[in-house]
Amino acid sequence: DTGVSQDPRHKITKRGQNVTFRCDPISEHNRLYWYRQTLGQGPEFLTYFQNEAQLEKSRLLSNRFSAERPKGSFSTLEIQRTEQGDSAMYLCASSFAQGNEKLFFGSGTQLSVL
Amino acid sequence: SQELEQSPQSLIVQEGKNLTINCTSSKTLYGLYWYKQKYGEGLIFLMMLQKGGEEKSHEKITAKLDEKKQQSSLHITASQPSHAGIYLCGADINNADKLIFGTGTRLQVFP
Repeated sequence: DTGVSQDPRHKITKRGQNVTFRCDPISEHNRLYWYRQTLGQGPEFLTYFQNEAQLEKSRLLSNRFSAERPKGSFSTLEIQRTEQGDSAMYLCASSFAQGNEKLFFGSGTQLSVL
Repeated sequence: SQELEQSPQSLIVQEGKNLTINCTSSKTLYGLYWYKQKYGEGLIFLMMLQKGGEEKSHEKITAKLDEKKQQSSLHITASQPSHAGIYLCGADINNADKLIFGTGTRLQVFP
């Protein structure tokens, strides 16, 4: 399978715990995006990387959220001190070229904070 | 996102009927993308429109872009149960190198 891969598919955690998600993009794609989606809404942009550089982070994103892409390949999204409002589907997407933002999405990680 | 409005929010149609979903932007579009999502899954790319007046078709789905109106429409002909899902429009607004998405249109097709 050469698509975007996300792990885990589901995560249940208690409020206050830290969680980390992983995304493996399509190998030749240099851009990687993180989105968050809540029930009944469209995906909300969180951040994106070009190679290993984090080029933009949403102003709405809490400082409890951090993302890395250390070698320009896979990426991790960490949420510290989770809150119930963090419960959502976290989607990763990758793309090949600037100016053509056709994104290929993974299946997402569904986070439930109890 | 309020920058992209989709209508209707939900649609229930009988199999075989035609339907149209609209996506309107409050800002200049630099590319309009249609995706389909099944509940609890990721987004599947359908079509990309980049030029005003552009129209693309795939099987029974046709999408058009009206650049002047900053609007796109997705039309499904002779709908089938397999068309059921959430249709999302995404747009590169202001050439910002990322897609902003609408809230989606939930389509149900009953036999």
